[in-house]
Amino acid sequence: ELKVEQNPLFLSMQEGKNYTIYCNYSTTSDRLYWYRQDPGKSLESLFVLLSNGAVKQEGRLMASLDTKARLSTLHITAAVHDLSATYFCAVLPTSGTYKYIFGTGTRLKVLA
Amino acid sequence: KAGVTQTPRYLIKTRGQQVTLSCSPISGHRSVSWYQQTPGQGLQFLFEYFSETQRNKGNFPGRFSGRQFSNSRSEMNVSTLELGDSALYLCASAQGALYEQYFGPGTRLTVT
Repeated sequence: ELKVEQNPLFLSMQEGKNYTIYCNYSTTSDRLYWYRQDPGKSLESLFVLLSNGAVKQEGRLMASLDTKARLSTLHITAAVHDLSATYFCAVLPTSGTYKYIFGTGTRLKVLA
Repeated sequence: KAGVTQTPRYLIKTRGQQVTLSCSPISGHRSVSWYQQTPGQGLQFLFEYFSETQRNKGNFPGRFSGRQFSNSRSEMNVSTLELGDSALYLCASAQGALYEQYFGPGTRLTVT
């Protein structure tokens, strides 16, 4: 069964601190996506990672992909309250199916 | 470009009834996917349509069905509603090699 696991599931952190969210997946894939969801809202695309070693940064968020380890990370630098949300990773398997497999989500709360 | 739109945004139905949800993708996008989001099960893939054909299907019972029209608009139908069908139903459209999905605001369905 294809699985995408994120950890931690919940993360409470102080403003100004750094932390990393991990996304492990069980299938071969060369495309990984990160999304953000605010409470009661839809999903907003953050990053698309296409190849091994890909790194993308936007503001205080940086995402990377290691296809050999089947691992992606979302690193938060100097967290601010506005980053509080649920973050999802999603994998598109290389089997040719256009079927995202979503991770469990990480609920991030940044405390002032 | 206008984003993905979904109607209605909120819906309350009674067990045993049926419901039809609508999704209009971003102009030019030919792929439309549907997801069910619940607190217990997370984001689960329902099905994906491309050029009026169902290309992928998730593990949902036959009560869940969909279709796509020639203008890429899509509808999802759930027959014989059950309490467990209460969820946020999200539609996403995608196009091109990146296959980055853009999500609509969702339809929140409550079954009583």
